[in-house]
Amino acid sequence: AQKVTQAQTEISVVEKEDVTLDCVYETRDTTYYLFWYKQPPSGELVFLIRRNSFDEQNEISGRYSWNFQKSTSSFNFTITASQVVDSAVYFCALSEEGGGSNYKLTFGKGTLLTVNP
Amino acid sequence: KAGVTQTPRYLIKTRGQQVTLSCSPISGHRSVSWYQQTPGQGLQFLFEYFSETQRNKGNFPGRFSGRQFSNSRSEMNVSTLELGDSALYLCASSPRGLLEYEQFFGPGTRLTVL
Repeated sequence: AQKVTQAQTEISVVEKEDVTLDCVYETRDTTYYLFWYKQPPSGELVFLIRRNSFDEQNEISGRYSWNFQKSTSSFNFTITASQVVDSAVYFCALSEEGGGSNYKLTFGKGTLLTVNP
Repeated sequence: KAGVTQTPRYLIKTRGQQVTLSCSPISGHRSVSWYQQTPGQGLQFLFEYFSETQRNKGNFPGRFSGRQFSNSRSEMNVSTLELGDSALYLCASSPRGLLEYEQFFGPGTRLTVL
């Protein structure tokens, strides 16, 4: 069965600090997909990134970067020079490819990030 | 381009009733997926529809069902409501599918079951 663990329930940082959100996953499939989402206080989920299991390249998008390591089953998310607007709950998710109509998305419990001015 | 819209935004029902929630995707998007968010269970995937066909489904009882129309609008139905169905229900649309493209989420429908 697939599982996603976000061990950090809450993180608090001061603006301009770098912060890394951890995500560890479990799956028996060789083909799977990993996601990160952001949920700001307004409640609307925002898709951040999708990565398939065959693409281990790290990704950078502005102040955001993602480190995918299959050897440790981790897909960590780093925010560089954090800003108050980054305050949100961040969810990591996993989907095995399955077959036909059998795949489903499993979410971690989320990490509440608070960036203080 | 208009975003994903969900109606109604808030809903109060009593146990045993049924409810239908609606999601209108971004124009041109063919995939709609539904999610339930509760304080206890967190975010859970309900199902995904693509071109009027359910492509996959999470671990929810048969009381939860959905459908998608030819214009890609989707509805989710919950029959015989239970207190535990109180949640924020989110839908997302995508050009093809949640495994293939980024998803765009609606603001959600807050359902309260009394």
